[in-house]
Amino acid sequence: SQQGEEDPQALSIQEGENATMNCSYKTSINNLQWYRQNSGRGLVHLILIRSNEREKHSGRLRVTLDTSKKSSSLLITASRAADTASYFCATVHSTGNQFYFGTGTSLTVIP
Amino acid sequence: DTGVSQDPRHKITKRGQNVTFRCDPISEHNRLYWYRQTLGQGPEFLTYFQNEAQLEKSRLLSDRFSAERPKGSFSTLEIQRTEQGDSAMYLCASSLWRDSSGNTIYFGEGSWLTVV
Repeated sequence: SQQGEEDPQALSIQEGENATMNCSYKTSINNLQWYRQNSGRGLVHLILIRSNEREKHSGRLRVTLDTSKKSSSLLITASRAADTASYFCATVHSTGNQFYFGTGTSLTVIP
Repeated sequence: DTGVSQDPRHKITKRGQNVTFRCDPISEHNRLYWYRQTLGQGPEFLTYFQNEAQLEKSRLLSDRFSAERPKGSFSTLEIQRTEQGDSAMYLCASSLWRDSSGNTIYFGEGSWLTVV
């Protein structure tokens, strides 16, 4: 079963704007990871944030994690048309054995 | 290129036929996962292996589905007596698992199955 839920389901922005997508989950986690998927392709790992971390940066990506609210956000700054894809959060149970994916946010960046 | 390869990339089969998908993980990775994804949904966990041992199976994995990883390297996922509801993309992923703190999984490009 899927544990994470992304919000919004779809997001359309102009190139150069920032894109923010959120992920909520239900149970305690070991870490949370964000993945990107281009249409019809496999998933590409973007960033991992551990349960004891609150914020992490990687290039134009910024991820936050609030374990008290069981939520995470992914911010993509200065978006580009090439960022158009679906973005998924994956929550990792404390055993580290299973990855539960949400339904994803479909991001469209208009040139 | 994540290094996980899947074959075939696309398969069209008639209902009732058997299909088999192969996954070659990144060479040093000890864990291998199978997921299923339908349009507009996130990947759903099916099963995973640590080396050659199948450690967990989802309830989604009916008895028509069987997965193997005989030598702890490549894996196969077989679907017997396919049904139209099996149409989906089957994703394989692998990871180098050391402990539960920071396991990242790397996906292949997926195998699309269409059952007609």
